[in-house]
Amino acid sequence: EIVLTQSPATLSLSPGERATLSCRASQSVSNRYLAWYQQKPGQAPRLLIYGASSRATGSPDRFSGSGSGTDFTLTISRLEPEDFAVYYCQQYGGSPYTFGQGTKLEIK
Amino acid sequence: EVQLVQSGAEVKKPGESLKISCKGSGYSFSTYWIAWVRQMPGKGLEWMGVIFPADSETRYSPSFQGQVTISADKSISTAYLQWGSLKASDTAMYYCARHLYGTDWGQGTLVTVSS
Repeated sequence: EIVLTQSPATLSLSPGERATLSCRASQSVSNRYLAWYQQKPGQAPRLLIYGASSRATGSPDRFSGSGSGTDFTLTISRLEPEDFAVYYCQQYGGSPYTFGQGTKLEIK
Repeated sequence: EVQLVQSGAEVKKPGESLKISCKGSGYSFSTYWIAWVRQMPGKGLEWMGVIFPADSETRYSPSFQGQVTISADKSISTAYLQWGSLKASDTAMYYCARHLYGTDWGQGTLVTVSS
């Protein structure tokens, strides 16, 4: 089973700043099958990025993903007030298709 | 428009059985994987398992294998998650999601297990 470790657990930033979230896998994620989700309180998760770097339909272009192998990054270029939420990575390269434990992005 | 509509909230007692549902519409239900994801109160997302409705191929997380059963009825575009004997620790929000990476999500079904 691939274990995904997200860092930091909490990230405190201000609107307009750049956010960099990390997701590290315990073994290589095949074919860059890594997705990123945003979840706000009381809501279902929303897909932002799939295939490590492809933006999902409706995902703003300030969200970008990168990485391969065991190291992946979600970057939010300029934070908007609505971006403060919890972010999860998920690998779907090999079953079980595990999630990371999440990074909470909070307003500084 | 793709939609996944889940069944309503449930309150059950320990030891009872339960089957919750996820109905897909707006796409070819049989040809996309449907995943089930658990979120315990205040916690993160846990991948439980996935089913391919066309042939009912199912894959489970080892953490949930034997604890739940995932099934689907492609004739009515509905996937299911069921328990034979609920525990208090099954109290959680359960989401269904389309595709191996969740392009679309249901609204969630809150399951509360309490004596």
